[in-house]
Amino acid sequence: EVVMTQSPATVSVSPGERVTLSCRASQNIGGNLAWYQQKPGQAPRLLIYGPSTRATGIPARFSASESGTEFTLTISSLQSEDFAVYYCQHYNNWPPTFGPGTKVDLK
Amino acid sequence: QVQMVESGGGVVQPGGSLRLSCTASGFTFSRHGMHWVRQAPGKGLEWLAVVWYDGSDKYYADSVKGRFTVSRDNSKNTVFLQIESLRAEDTAVYYCARDPSIAARLIFDYWGRGTLVTVSS
Repeated sequence: EVVMTQSPATVSVSPGERVTLSCRASQNIGGNLAWYQQKPGQAPRLLIYGPSTRATGIPARFSASESGTEFTLTISSLQSEDFAVYYCQHYNNWPPTFGPGTKVDLK
Repeated sequence: QVQMVESGGGVVQPGGSLRLSCTASGFTFSRHGMHWVRQAPGKGLEWLAVVWYDGSDKYYADSVKGRFTVSRDNSKNTVFLQIESLRAEDTAVYYCARDPSIAARLIFDYWGRGTLVTVSS
């Protein structure tokens, strides 16, 4: 099973700032990674997959990149609606697994 | 628009069973694999099971294999999760999620709002 790790666990940011979240896979996943956003009391929402293709309706301030087994989600200018928990998930093989999440909160 | 609504959650005693349902609308249900994912209170996400677009194939997480059964009824745009021998650690919000492919690309592109299962005596 591929183990996904994320860092930091929490990041405190002010609106308008740029934020970078990291995700690492325990083995090569061939770029088969997705990012999800979850707000309190809501279901997760797919942001990005493949590893840098934005899902339908996701604003351009969200971007992602890959370097081997290291993946990065960047929010270029944080908006108030972006405060949430962000999860990465690999879909390279069975079973798909999620990282523990990074919480983006208000500084 | 794509919508999925889960139902069937509630409070169940340890050892009991439950059948969760997820009814979909806004897309051609029979053209998509469907997943179940759960989230224990205050915890992360755990993938549980997937059923192919036509019900012909199913896969499970090792942690639930043998106790959970996924099925679907395309005539009713509904996917089910039968859970047996419930344990305290099964307490979670259970989400259904759509796969963008007919089988299992293992991406979850749309999610329902979830149904809470609480296992307690």
